[in-house]
Amino acid sequence: GQQVMQIPQYQHVQEGEDFTTYCNSSTTLSNIQWYKQRPGGHPVFLIQLVKSGEVKKQKRLTFQFGEAKKNSSLHITATQTTDVGTYFCAGSYTSGTYKYIFGTGTRLKVLA
Amino acid sequence: ETGVTQSPTHLIKTRGQQVTLRCSSQSGHNTVSWYQQALGQGPQFIFQYYREEENGRGNFPPRFSGLQFPNYSSELNVNALELDDSALYLCATAGYNEQFFGPGTRLTVL
Repeated sequence: GQQVMQIPQYQHVQEGEDFTTYCNSSTTLSNIQWYKQRPGGHPVFLIQLVKSGEVKKQKRLTFQFGEAKKNSSLHITATQTTDVGTYFCAGSYTSGTYKYIFGTGTRLKVLA
Repeated sequence: ETGVTQSPTHLIKTRGQQVTLRCSSQSGHNTVSWYQQALGQGPQFIFQYYREEENGRGNFPPRFSGLQFPNYSSELNVNALELDDSALYLCATAGYNEQFFGPGTRLTVL
């Protein structure tokens, strides 16, 4: 079936270091979304990527969508303690619907 | 804040009971999705409603059912509760190219 794998499962970094999480699908995605969930909170939308090879930036966050639309990455430059949380990718296989398959998430801890 | 509210916040039930969870949005978005999030896992898609009709379903048994009302608020009903149904239940309304999640209902089945 359709599955979205995400690695790593956990990442501990020193404040100021960079962080990257990767998302892979076995089949081509229509689009992919990224979310951040703080401990005890709910997922908060970060961005949506639709086009093959698309790259989007939000301040220290850089999001990429692979050329084959099967993988994606989120890179955070110079992490801060406020970046702590779990980052999820969520892939959609059908355009025009909101049925999203979430990855398992990467839990980020930032050590001050 | 997303403007999406869910009730109740927490709920404790026993195995075999039935539960109804509620979701409402101030945004007027006509699409609502329900997700189940077990501890330490990503949200799992249960189903989606669009203009009061079910419009997509994940791998959940028929004892998970839902409703959407004319004002686009929604209910998730779970019958014959099982221990594995213990989870955070999230609803999300769909705006243009993004989803807005509510705070969730934490269901514990004993």
